[in-house]
Amino acid sequence: EAGVTQFPSHSVIEKGQTVTLRCDPISGHDNLYWYRRVMGKEIKFLLHFVKESKQDESGMPNNRFLAERTGGTYSTLKVQPAELEDSGVYFCASSQGALGGNTIYFGEGSWLTVV
Amino acid sequence: GENVEQHPSTLSVQEGDSAVIKCTYSDSASNYFPWYKQELGKRPQLIIDIRSNVGEKKDQRIAVTLNKTAKHFSLHITETQPEDSAVYFCAPARRMGGGNQFYFGTGTSLTVIP
Repeated sequence: EAGVTQFPSHSVIEKGQTVTLRCDPISGHDNLYWYRRVMGKEIKFLLHFVKESKQDESGMPNNRFLAERTGGTYSTLKVQPAELEDSGVYFCASSQGALGGNTIYFGEGSWLTVV
Repeated sequence: GENVEQHPSTLSVQEGDSAVIKCTYSDSASNYFPWYKQELGKRPQLIIDIRSNVGEKKDQRIAVTLNKTAKHFSLHITETQPEDSAVYFCAPARRMGGGNQFYFGTGTSLTVIP
């Protein structure tokens, strides 16, 4: 079974540019999460999709961040325009629905560096 | 949102000794309590979890204990080995909509000295 996949694995962009991160969850997983880890700090929640709906987006830092999950399959996280403090590792994770257990599975992460 | 804290933030132990990491949380609705291990440059991976109706769970050298009244749960690693060196995160979760809402702790960096 394929795991959670993320693209790109690494990205270096200049301040003010736009970056779009993509996440493909495990097939059949209704729940999709985005998290961010800034160097040496906690894994910070950004938002949670259930299928195509945003269940909770309370962790999104500001309106420069836009997440979508059209069709309830893969998701994208766009940062526009990027700022220096956006640098970090963006993790996507997925889990089955309410009847399928609680475990969340992480992708390898997308390492973003804004210079 | 949930307020999650881990202690200690860093921990060094000699190989073969035990390590204990404590996680406190604030949301009384939390009902699922996993621990994740993140090795350098890799993805966080689930190592053990416990549900709210159980007080303790053990899997070989790893155990988790839960005190729901006091709102904390702990990770216990016995007979530590160098490959246990990693950052460990707790992530208490509660039901929300069609899934669970997880909030991660601040992480504990464990170093096992050979």
